[in-house]
Amino acid sequence: EPEVTQTPSHQVTQMGQEVILRCVPISNHLYFYWYRQILGQKVEFLVSFYNNEISEKSEIFDDQFSVERPDGSNFTLKIRSTKLEDSAMYFCASSPQGPSPETQYFGPGTRLLVL
Amino acid sequence: RKEVEQDPGPFNVPEGATVAFNCTYSNSASQSFFWYRQDCRKEPKLLMSVYSSGNEDGRFTAQLNRASQYISLLIRDSKLSDSATYLCVVDEYGGSQGNLIFGKGTKLSVKP
Repeated sequence: EPEVTQTPSHQVTQMGQEVILRCVPISNHLYFYWYRQILGQKVEFLVSFYNNEISEKSEIFDDQFSVERPDGSNFTLKIRSTKLEDSAMYFCASSPQGPSPETQYFGPGTRLLVL
Repeated sequence: RKEVEQDPGPFNVPEGATVAFNCTYSNSASQSFFWYRQDCRKEPKLLMSVYSSGNEDGRFTAQLNRASQYISLLIRDSKLSDSATYLCVVDEYGGSQGNLIFGKGTKLSVKP
């Protein structure tokens, strides 16, 4: 069964450094999402992406964040200058049609720790 | 502010028990409703969608009350493998954008 993959599984970085989190959505999917989950808290929507542009973003997704689909398979989330409060699990999701809340498939996540 | 509220639990039940989770949501525009399951340090996985008429999938039954903005999940004959956190999820924009709003989750622990 096809699945969303994410790399790395864990990332440790120093405050102020840039990080890039990578996702490979399921191949025929058209809509892509990033969510984050701070330890012990709820999953929060960050951004949705369709047709090479952002469809919607939350108030969390400020100027420090950006997303890109650099080629036909990868979908990346960049945090330009990490803060301590960026420490969280970051989940990528994709859906085959959209916008579709019904069929979002989540990747296993990248655990980011900012020191 | 659009919110989904759940009882955090934990619910500690013996195998074979029936357990019910409840959830309320604040956004009356939401059109799609779901229960996800999340195991410790793993990604959320869709358990079932919730329809206005109520729906059942094996031991799991979900109900929706739009007037009260209330969603429920009933698990019958609990198994040890049901131990997880159950997330109530609604769509933010009535299906027009696909963004999901998650509750904080209700933790279930099924004991032998």
